[in-house]
Amino acid sequence: DTGVSQDPRHKITKRGQNVTFRCDPISEHNRLYWYRQTLGQGPEFLTYFQNEAQLEKSRLLSDRFSAERPKGSFSTLEIQRTEQGDSAMYLCASSLASSGTDTQYFGPGTRLTVL
Amino acid sequence: AQSVTQLGSHVSVSEGALVLLRCNYSSSVPPYLFWYVQYPNQGLQLLLKYTSAATLVKGINGFEAEFKKSETSFHLTKPSAHMSDAAEYFCAADTNSNSGYALNFGKGTSLLVTP
Repeated sequence: DTGVSQDPRHKITKRGQNVTFRCDPISEHNRLYWYRQTLGQGPEFLTYFQNEAQLEKSRLLSDRFSAERPKGSFSTLEIQRTEQGDSAMYLCASSLASSGTDTQYFGPGTRLTVL
Repeated sequence: AQSVTQLGSHVSVSEGALVLLRCNYSSSVPPYLFWYVQYPNQGLQLLLKYTSAATLVKGINGFEAEFKKSETSFHLTKPSAHMSDAAEYFCAADTNSNSGYALNFGKGTSLLVTP
């Protein structure tokens, strides 16, 4: 098992374009999280899946953002009509649900630059 | 929801000196707490976590943290800094929400290790 992977690692796009990122979690992890990290800040929670169900979305996830996890395995995060303020590192994490709290393992992130 | 404050956005220590990175949480109910490390252009790696089993938690790479309820603190320490410890360190608390365990991160502390 090689851990959480994300693709692409870097994406440069022009304002107004749509972008899609992919996250492959650790196999058999049933929880998957998306976070956004801007320069000089800690990661901020965006959304969370348990299996294929999207159970929680933060206020940061505007209607231009959509996330899916169609078969409870990999997940995609799409940003429509990108804005310069969307420039950030997008991090994916996965975990295996357990009693108490679970431990989230993070991927390397996708760095988005909107010109 | 728990919030996390990391005191000191930058900490500089000499190689071989004690490392102390500060983290305070705000919650009437002690949350689960985590320390992550992030190297440049990489994702987050878990150093250690507090889950109420023991107040002194040992992690990887010689790091440890002590949970102090009376001070609402979870400071990270390492007796002797190595050059390879230079990185960004994040303290995080789980949100303890009904539908998942999204993490609330502090803003991070950048550790510089000088020869």
